[in-house]
Amino acid sequence: DVKVTQSSRYLVKRTGEKVFLECVQDMDHENMFWYRQDPGLGLRLIYFSYDVKMKEKGDIPEGYSVSREKKERFSLILESASTNQTSMYLCASSPLAGSNQPQHFGDGTRLSIL
Amino acid sequence: GESVGLHLPTLSVQEGDNSIINCAYSNSASDYFIWYKQESGKGPQFIIDIRSNMDKRQGQRVTVLLNKTVKHLSLQIAATQPGDSAVYFCAETNPNTGNQFYFGTGTSLTVIP
Repeated sequence: DVKVTQSSRYLVKRTGEKVFLECVQDMDHENMFWYRQDPGLGLRLIYFSYDVKMKEKGDIPEGYSVSREKKERFSLILESASTNQTSMYLCASSPLAGSNQPQHFGDGTRLSIL
Repeated sequence: GESVGLHLPTLSVQEGDNSIINCAYSNSASDYFIWYKQESGKGPQFIIDIRSNMDKRQGQRVTVLLNKTVKHLSLQIAATQPGDSAVYFCAETNPNTGNQFYFGTGTSLTVIP
């Protein structure tokens, strides 16, 4: 079974802090994704990556950056956290592009910015 | 742009009955569809998928139906059990978006014992 592991289930940070969310997958997947999930809005794509050191903006990249130094690890960075970034953050991975394969999700990090 | 929606935000069914959850999509180029189940405090879990060259696919107690004419997708759960209580949402992708999926907002299914 694919396992996507997010380092923290719950996180509380203060406005202006730099926040790192970590995600690791164990299936050698090329693609990794970061979403945020808010009530009534569904999953919105923040950033994704096709390969090591590659990154692409999703639908809502503002205020975020990402890092993919190793194939199995994809980090989401909030450069200067703000209260409107309080949300559930979900990481996902999938095999190569064009293969029509499902994305596999971690259990999420619930982030609160005070 | 992409639009993936669900007809009902909540659904309550009696244990043992069949459940039907619906999803509409807007892009006629969409060619791959997935249903996910998300239990409280957990991430979305893959249930079943279907490609656009099919109109029906069955799994264990679940069936997905795809009607490309009206751009409609449904998930049927047979003999619904309390463990089926969760939020269900659909996702779709198309060749133009590569890896990017578009997700519906979800239907919350409650199974009444």
